[in-house]
Amino acid sequence: KQEVTQIPAALSVPEGENLVLNCSFTDSAIYNLQWFRQDPGKGLTSLLLIQSSQREQTSGRLNASLDKSSGRSTLYIAASQPGDSATYLCAVRDSNYQLIWGAGTKLIIKP
Amino acid sequence: EAGVAQSPRYKIIEKRQSVAFWCNPISGHATLYWYQQILGQGPKLLIQFQNNGVVDDSQLPKDRFSAERLKGVDSTLKIQPAKLEDSAVYLCASSLDSAGIYGYTFGSGTRLTVV
Repeated sequence: KQEVTQIPAALSVPEGENLVLNCSFTDSAIYNLQWFRQDPGKGLTSLLLIQSSQREQTSGRLNASLDKSSGRSTLYIAASQPGDSATYLCAVRDSNYQLIWGAGTKLIIKP
Repeated sequence: EAGVAQSPRYKIIEKRQSVAFWCNPISGHATLYWYQQILGQGPKLLIQFQNNGVVDDSQLPKDRFSAERLKGVDSTLKIQPAKLEDSAVYLCASSLDSAGIYGYTFGSGTRLTVV
């Protein structure tokens, strides 16, 4: 059974720092992995989608990598800003086409 | 392209009352999903539609929850009667294909508080 874990559950860093959020999954047989951002009480905004054949995707200050063999994905945020404060969730599309979610990392960027 | 539209944004009801949520997916997206997200957890799939047919409703509490997508476009999710533990954000999402290969687009969600 596929399980997705995000560690840490919460992270607080000063503005301007580069940071990495982690997502790990137990079964490497996946179709894709998607990173989302969620502001408090709001819906989910898709950030990056990585297909199983890809190693990374980039959008602006965000870069997501995927290593299927080790069951890991990282979301790199460069030059963090207070507006980046949110909860970041990763979700894996498993071999049964089910979307399996992590519980998220709550990120706080201190001005 | 317009995003996934949901309404209302917020709803407060008393337990045992009923409530309905509405979702309009992205035009051309055949697959529509309803998720329940309890505070501090990842979303939980309640039901998946492919056009107007149900693909997966295995985690939908059918004694109190119902959903429909009559014309293969808009969808409504209803809870009757509501319980305290139904307090959550209800998220609607759509995707171009049933496998979600091209990813999902989510709406802003409806925050339900049951008192």
